[in-house]
Amino acid sequence: GQNIDQPTEMTATEGAIVQINCTYQTSGFYGLSWYQQHDGGAPTFLSYNGLDGLEETGRFSSFLSRSKGYSDLLLKELQMKDSASYLCAVKDSNYQLIWGAGTKLIIKP
Amino acid sequence: DAMVIQNPRYQVTQFGKPVTLSCSQTLNHNVMYWYQQKSSQAPKLLFHYYDKDFNNEADTPDNFQSRRPNTSFCFLDIRSPGLGDAAMYLCATSRENSAPNEQFFGPGTRLTVL
Repeated sequence: GQNIDQPTEMTATEGAIVQINCTYQTSGFYGLSWYQQHDGGAPTFLSYNGLDGLEETGRFSSFLSRSKGYSDLLLKELQMKDSASYLCAVKDSNYQLIWGAGTKLIIKP
Repeated sequence: DAMVIQNPRYQVTQFGKPVTLSCSQTLNHNVMYWYQQKSSQAPKLLFHYYDKDFNNEADTPDNFQSRRPNTSFCFLDIRSPGLGDAAMYLCATSRENSAPNEQFFGPGTRLTVL
């Protein structure tokens, strides 16, 4: 079966760094994406990893290890507006996204 | 600005009363998706279209139907809503076979079933 695991909830402090993990088991792998979703809102694209290694976009970066089947999303210099759910999604052999349930990130002052 | 629009944002219906949700896009993307998302759960893909080529997920109930009359518009019909169909319904678009296959979402329609 296809499975994506993420922690349900994490808490971090404003200005700090947080790392959110995603592990996956899918039929085929054609890349992993991270999306941000605020309460009551729609997912918005953050990053994509097609190959092993680190991708950086501003305060956000994502690391992928295909051999170990995981990705980490790193958020630096946390701001209150970063309070949201972060969803991991893997593109499988059918070229469809398999979604995780998301990690709810709570930022405290 | 190019975007994905969903109407209405909030929809209240009665048990068993048909409802139609609409989605339009100005991105000119050939792929469109309908997702159902319940609180704290992953988005669940209901259908997707490559152009007019309709693809139904195996576990999507027959109660859910979809239409795509042209590139810009897509509709989700729920023929007889049950209490378990109360959820956020998300429409998304993407360009076929593009990397990273970024999906652009509309704001969603929150469906309440009384």
